Amino acid sequence: DQQVKQNSPSLSVQEGRISILNCDYTNSMFDYFLWYKKYPAEGPTFLISISSIKDKNEDGRFTVFLNKSAKHLSLHIVPSQPGDSAVYFCAAADTNAGGTSYGKLTFGQGTILTVHP
Amino acid sequence: GAVVSQHPSRVICKSGTSVKIECRSLDFQATTMFWYRQFPKQSLMLMATSNEGSKATYEQGVEKDKFLINHASLTLSTLTVTSAHPEDSSFYICSASEGTYEQYFGPGTRLTVT
Repeated sequence: DQQVKQNSPSLSVQEGRISILNCDYTNSMFDYFLWYKKYPAEGPTFLISISSIKDKNEDGRFTVFLNKSAKHLSLHIVPSQPGDSAVYFCAAADTNAGGTSYGKLTFGQGTILTVHP
Repeated sequence: GAVVSQHPSRVICKSGTSVKIECRSLDFQATTMFWYRQFPKQSLMLMATSNEGSKATYEQGVEKDKFLINHASLTLSTLTVTSAHPEDSSFYICSASEGTYEQYFGPGTRLTVT
């Protein structure tokens, strides 16, 4: 049961253009979302997050949009740079889940972004 | 800040032996540490959650007697794969949290069981 889905396994973009990475979720209890970037043979690094009380959060070249009614979020990277080439994971959390579920993240399958010079 | 180290980065062991992987938070106190496993081209699968000083909570389908987790201090958690078999070969990643939902990940450990 994949509660967080990234339906595009890969995305190829020209340097300088916008990269849009998409993520859908099915669990309506999720109310906090994060994006991570991962290079091969390394652990993921945190990029940006958004709470369900917002529909947009921006940090430099990275913007995350959240559409709660559609259970959909997206990460926009503008302008894209070759160094952005990596696997991008979205993750979701239910911040009202207590006990042993506190702090747990559910990850999507990841999208491989390739930015061409 | 928020650096997590993992050791070793790569390990090859023979079937039937045990392997210990260490996860350390270098510049913060990790109230919670998580252990994940990643298969090629797949998502990060949470194996277990550990809080300092208490027993780990394992996800459904993860054998707690095979994957022993110890979280003895606020900066160190260990995962021991006992009686390893080739099917345990995988990329194991730990993460640490200061009590928020932002997890900081280690660089991962590539385990190969021959």
